[in-house]
This record gives sequence, C-alpha cells and structure tokens, in this order.
Amino acid sequence: NAGVTQTPKFQVLKTGQSMTLQCAQDMNHNSMYWYRQDPGMGLRLIYYSASEGTTDKGEVPNGYNVSRLNKREFSLRLESAAPSQTSVYFCASSAQKGGGTSRYSNQPQHFGDGTRLSIL
Amino acid sequence: AQTVTQSQPEMSVQEAETVTLSCTYDTSENNYYLFWYKQPPSRQMILVIRQEAYKQQNATENRFSVNFQKAAKSFSLKISDSQLGDTAMYFCAFMYGGGSNYKLTFGKGTLLTVNP
Repeated sequence: NAGVTQTPKFQVLKTGQSMTLQCAQDMNHNSMYWYRQDPGMGLRLIYYSASEGTTDKGEVPNGYNVSRLNKREFSLRLESAAPSQTSVYFCASSAQKGGGTSRYSNQPQHFGDGTRLSIL
Repeated sequence: AQTVTQSQPEMSVQEAETVTLSCTYDTSENNYYLFWYKQPPSRQMILVIRQEAYKQQNATENRFSVNFQKAAKSFSLKISDSQLGDTAMYFCAFMYGGGSNYKLTFGKGTLLTVNP
C-alpha cells in the first residue's frame, strides 16, 4: 500500500546545479500536484497536472519545470538551483477528474512523505 | 483568488481536554470544499476531516469535528479528549469545486502541542 512515493527524501545541491524530484502514485489517480513548504508559509502549489498529458502553473512556478511522464509519474525539475529554492517539497495526487463529471466529488489529496532540499 | 487564514500560529492544550483551532477563508464561490490536514513531526500530511460547502451538517470524525459557518466563512476544528499523538501542525485548506483543476489553497498552519 505505497500510495504516493517521492524520491529522494533528502538532497543537498550547490547553486546552479540541476535536479529532478521524482513522484509516483499507485492509486490510479488522475490529478497530481507539486507543493513547496517553507516555514511560516504553509504549502504553496508549484505546478499541477489535472490529467495525463496536461500540466499547469500554480502559485509559485518560477524556476521549476514539470513532466507528467504517464498517469503514475509526475516529476519536478530545478534547472539551475538557487538558495531561495531551499524547501521541503511535497507531491500529492487525487482522484479528481477534469471536466467536472463529478461536480460534488470531494476526493482529498494524498501526499507523499516529502523531499527536503537544501541549496548552498 | 481564494485565501485561507489561520490566526493562531501556536496553541497548547492539556491531555484529555478540548481545543479549537480557527480558520477563516475568503471566496466568492458557492461550490467548494474545506479540509483540515495534520502534519506531525514525521512530516507526513494526513487528512483529518473534510466538509462540503453545500452541506449544512458539520462533519465529524471520531474525536475531530468542525464548526462550519458558511455565511461567516469560518471553518474551525475541534479536537476532543486531546491525546499526545495529536501534537502536530494543523493546516486548513480550501478547494474550489468547479472547473477541472481542484487545487488546494492552504493556510499557514497552527502548531498544536498537547501537554501531558
């Protein structure tokens, strides 16, 4: 019963290095999300993918790119890491479908255990 | 844009007592959902309880219940018979129910400490 799996759990980078955070879910969910969590800021949405083949910007997308590789996997890439990107990153998934077919569906988001990323 | 405000950065409660965490939100939408998530020191994000805006009845899950006041845009969490394992950061979250993206907007969190 893995749920949402994130790798790695910890990573230290130097400024300017690139890095891809991996996320996979085994619940056959349509929607996937990437958040960052900073002290005193709560969780903020970076990018999301409402369904396989689509991605959209969230609240704080600058400096990141994403790829929805298939229905299971949604990766987050830092092309040139900056100290301001030091954070804890969470991936989440939910069974929500695009198109409003279940208008009152309230499928919650299931979260991975997070990746602590430090950029020096 | 929706905003979620948790006005209590930190709270503490004695074991076995009751505590209420506050959350207010701002939206012009009528179709939405509200959630409380718990984040213990292990860093996991755990869904505690959820509420559909179209339901007047307050949601309950064992020792956890909410007081949902739609007109006041208030969504507080009550924890009864507090246990040491309830020590965690609690996040209130809003999700718009229309469209196709179902994004969550989180508050900044309330750190709850349950004292023995």
